[in-house]
Amino acid sequence: EADIYQTPRYLVIGTGKKITLECSQTMGHDKMYWYQQDPGMELHLIHYSYGVNSTEKGDLSSESTVSRIRTEHFPLTLESARPSHTSQYLCASSEGPAQHFGDGTRLSIL
Amino acid sequence: KNQVEQSPQSLIILEGKNCTLQCNYTVSPFSNLRWYKQDTGRGPVSLTIMTFSENTKSNGRYTATLDADTKQSSLHITASQLSDSASYICVVSDRGSTLGRLYFGRGTQLTVWP
Repeated sequence: EADIYQTPRYLVIGTGKKITLECSQTMGHDKMYWYQQDPGMELHLIHYSYGVNSTEKGDLSSESTVSRIRTEHFPLTLESARPSHTSQYLCASSEGPAQHFGDGTRLSIL
Repeated sequence: KNQVEQSPQSLIILEGKNCTLQCNYTVSPFSNLRWYKQDTGRGPVSLTIMTFSENTKSNGRYTATLDADTKQSSLHITASQLSDSASYICVVSDRGSTLGRLYFGRGTQLTVWP
């Protein structure tokens, strides 16, 4: 299995809180991605990075932000969580055509 | 509009039986097509990747086919096992691994009963 880790796995938190979802990979991949996935729906790309200090917004508009200060680390931050942010967030990395996914963070905003 | 459509949406089969999942796409230009398996509560795991010139690729009991002319792909699972219960996602890339955009299907939810 690929070495990409996401924490926390589950998070239930109140509206207005600041949240950071962690994603780390030990494969040395330059490319990393954040996806949002709702039940029964396709994955939507919300952020991606081609390397350190490179970040871009994806196809789906998101109020989250990301940073890429180190190759192995690609955290996603929500400054003020809202119920509409409730979803599963998947992190991935790649070198070549195959993406390696973490197991996701299931986020619930009350 | 580039799209990836998967059918059926869900499928229930008995252990030991074979099944075939379908993927139709309109993505153009086409670079490659991937099938992923996503277990409940886990991230997707790659099963196969096929480029334009490949029309079949196997990974154990999983065999994917690609018809680039009709823009159709199928994933055939042989002698199903309980562990095959998962969502199977078809993903099409339009320009290669470096710059290509990925188009995701909604997946087929497969349930294997004993």
